[in-house]
Amino acid sequence: DVKVTQSSRYLVKRTGEKVFLECVQDMDHENMFWYRQDPGLGLRLIYFSYDVKMKEKGDIPEGYSVSREKKERFSLILESASTNQTSMYLCASSQGADYYGYTFGSGTRLTVV
Amino acid sequence: ILNVEQSPQSLHVQEGDSTNFTCSFPSSNFYALHWYRWETAKSPEALFVMTLNGDEKKKGRISATLNTKEGYSYLYIKGSQPEDSATYLCAFKAAGNKLTFGGGTRVLVKP
Repeated sequence: DVKVTQSSRYLVKRTGEKVFLECVQDMDHENMFWYRQDPGLGLRLIYFSYDVKMKEKGDIPEGYSVSREKKERFSLILESASTNQTSMYLCASSQGADYYGYTFGSGTRLTVV
Repeated sequence: ILNVEQSPQSLHVQEGDSTNFTCSFPSSNFYALHWYRWETAKSPEALFVMTLNGDEKKKGRISATLNTKEGYSYLYIKGSQPEDSATYLCAFKAAGNKLTFGGGTRVLVKP
């Protein structure tokens, strides 16, 4: 069964901390994505990557960065966590063009206090 | 940012009843329309990817239709069961753009 695994289900961090959210996929997918989900706003794209060491900004990249050193791993970094980054974070992967559905991880609920 | 709207935001359905809800998207530069089901405490799961005007897809009791000229897709659930309770997300992709998600329709099936 194909899988996207996110390292933590729940996370509580303090304001100003550097936070790493890890995502690993075992499907050899080229494309990986980070979204955040907030009530009433749907999934919003933070960053995505179409290849190793490649990254592109999504719709809401401010306050975030990413790293993709290996094909299977895509990390989201909150450089200095703030309370407005409290959210559900979802990682996804896909193959090829967007004719194929995305495979999502189960999400990380991050609370910044 | 493209505007993708889903309606209603939530609905309650009696077990055994059928229901449907809508995803609206821009009618120009259509590339693909995705539907996902997101159950509580689980990962969003891809239901359908639709690419052609007039497409109809079916998976068990769930089906979807697509009208790219007028910019809408319907998702139908026939004979709703409690396990159909979930948030249903649609996502639209225009040519040359990234996938944009709607806000979801939350379905609660009451026994």
